Amino acid sequence: EDQVTQSPEALRLQEGESSSLNCSYTVSGLRGLFWYRQDPGKGPEFLFTLYSAGEEKEKERLKATLTKKESFLHITAPKPEDSATYLCAVHQTGFQKLVFGTGTRLLVSP
Amino acid sequence: DARVTQTPRHKVTEMGQEVTMRCQPILGHNTVFWYRQTMMQGLELLAYFRNRAPLDDSGMPKDRFSAEMPDATLATLKIQPSEPRDSAVYFCASGLAPPGQSYNEQFFGPGTRLTVL
Repeated sequence: EDQVTQSPEALRLQEGESSSLNCSYTVSGLRGLFWYRQDPGKGPEFLFTLYSAGEEKEKERLKATLTKKESFLHITAPKPEDSATYLCAVHQTGFQKLVFGTGTRLLVSP
Repeated sequence: DARVTQTPRHKVTEMGQEVTMRCQPILGHNTVFWYRQTMMQGLELLAYFRNRAPLDDSGMPKDRFSAEMPDATLATLKIQPSEPRDSAVYFCASGLAPPGQSYNEQFFGPGTRLTVL
């Protein structure tokens, strides 16, 4: 059974206080790991796809990294508009579906 | 700009009634997904279409749920009969998957919030 675990469940930061969100997975044959951002009342918005260990991708204040067991979403000097739920999902070789984690709710205070 | 649209945005119905949710994927996308999101379970894939053909509906209760793509511009998800446990937000997403690749960036619609009383 695919397992995708995100931690922490919730994170409160002050504006400018950098931190990292974790997504650990237990699948054999990872085909891709996806990060999404979801704002209240809206659908998830795609951020990154990572395909192999060692890969990194950046977008503004966000950087995603991938190892063989986990992925980190690093948030550098966050702003209040970065407040959202961040979801990760994995695609395993041989399976058609993405398996999503339950997300990390991030709140950035001014 | 191009986006996935879903109707209705909100639906309140009584147990036993039929519910139909509609999705218009982004023009040119060849994959369509239906997801259900609840506080307890998070996002769960219900069905997946590629070039309008259903490829995976293993996450869908077969006795009451059905998903179809009558044409490239419309995907539907039906629940008949609906039950209170079906209350959730249902998302449609579409994407453009290159040959030999199952998933790529997925664009989600705004969702249909379903409440079954």
